[in-house]
Amino acid sequence: QQQVKQSPQSLIVQKGGISIINCAYENTAFDYFPWYQQFPGKGPALLIAIRPDVSEKKEGRFTISFNKSAKQFSLHIMDSQPGDSATYFCAASFNDMRFGAGTRLTVKP
Amino acid sequence: NAGVTQTPKFQVLKTGQSMTLQCAQDMNHEYMSWYRQDPGMGLRLIHYSVGAGITDQGEVPNGYNVSRSTTEDFPLRLLSAAPSQTSVYFCASSSRSSGSGELFFGEGSRLTVL
Repeated sequence: QQQVKQSPQSLIVQKGGISIINCAYENTAFDYFPWYQQFPGKGPALLIAIRPDVSEKKEGRFTISFNKSAKQFSLHIMDSQPGDSATYFCAASFNDMRFGAGTRLTVKP
Repeated sequence: NAGVTQTPKFQVLKTGQSMTLQCAQDMNHEYMSWYRQDPGMGLRLIHYSVGAGITDQGEVPNGYNVSRSTTEDFPLRLLSAAPSQTSVYFCASSSRSSGSGELFFGEGSRLTVL
């Protein structure tokens, strides 16, 4: 079974809106929680990451919120732009990295 | 700076054929891994290696072999290809000895098994 569960599968947001993608995990040994962005025909690339000793990390328009007790974390994209249209993967790692199923984000102009 | 290089980019095989997907990195990373990407399934870990001479299984290792004779190279072998192995394969590396650090991905190898 998938160790990291991601929702929603797809998301459509208007330009300037907020995109929110959620993930949940089971293994409490995970110690690194990244988000990857993937454009068609390319490999995933690291967007932002957090470790479990902090509850929030912000880089520009991208924020990770982390809830250790609920074993959940989420990605917020503020002021979403058409160029943000891509597939986003959450992941969690300890000895190896496990990925969620992905969210296809479409930002409409 | 090449990063992670995968070859070939595209390959068509017949059921039962064998082949090797090549992966090389020039960042002197100890950790390397192979994933397959299928629609609705995300990225699933096939095999990984924490250094030369050391490999381990991931989530979906059946039908695949790996070896790590050098730090730079981590080839993935399909022993007897099956249609279920039709997928996009990604190689990734990390400077962390475990997987708990940024993974750098190659551009992918798209494999079709007929």
